[in-house]
Amino acid sequence: AQSVAQPEDQVNVAEGNPLTVKCTYSVSGNPYLFWYVQYPNRGLQFLLKYITGDNLVKGSYGFEAEFNKSQTSFHLKKPSALVSDSALYFCAVRVNVYGQNFVFGPGTRLSVLP
Amino acid sequence: DTGVSQDPRHKITKRGQNVTFRCDPISEHNRLYWYRQTLGQGPEFLTYFQNEAQLEKSRLLSDRFSAERPKGSFSTLEIQRTEQGDSAMYLCASSLADQETQYFGPGTRLLVL
Repeated sequence: AQSVAQPEDQVNVAEGNPLTVKCTYSVSGNPYLFWYVQYPNRGLQFLLKYITGDNLVKGSYGFEAEFNKSQTSFHLKKPSALVSDSALYFCAVRVNVYGQNFVFGPGTRLSVLP
Repeated sequence: DTGVSQDPRHKITKRGQNVTFRCDPISEHNRLYWYRQTLGQGPEFLTYFQNEAQLEKSRLLSDRFSAERPKGSFSTLEIQRTEQGDSAMYLCASSLADQETQYFGPGTRLLVL
């Protein structure tokens, strides 16, 4: 079955430190992978995506993610966290090449402490 | 760019009533998606349209749920005979057909009493 796992419900990091939010996936074929962020009382916002090409993908607000096919992972990273990065982060995968059925992970709440 | 809008933002209804939600996508986007999100979970795909055609439906979309996009612009999601288990946030998203990035609306929060 197609699935996305985010093994950490909560990640706490001090402001200025690097952050990592983990995502692993299980999908047939080549995955299309995404990260979205959800701030309180606001809709999900697109951060970045991996479709093909370079395994290191750069996105909005200084975030980047690395696609690792052998580990079936797509971890989100940022070199220096900001308090304003505190939000709920979702990893998502498109489950088949010809359809538009996206599966989202359960989300990871990131808290950046001043 | 006005973004994706949804109406209403909140809806409280009694079990057994019908409710209808509206989504207005970004104007040039020809794909429109509906998702359901419950507390502590990620969004769950319900259905999607390309222009006015409904091309995919999730098994989650029971017979009580129906979605339309009659003119390929706005869409409505109707839930008939609501149940308490329907309480959730209903999200709409839109995208261009040749791009994978979805833009989400703020959602409609439904509470069924």
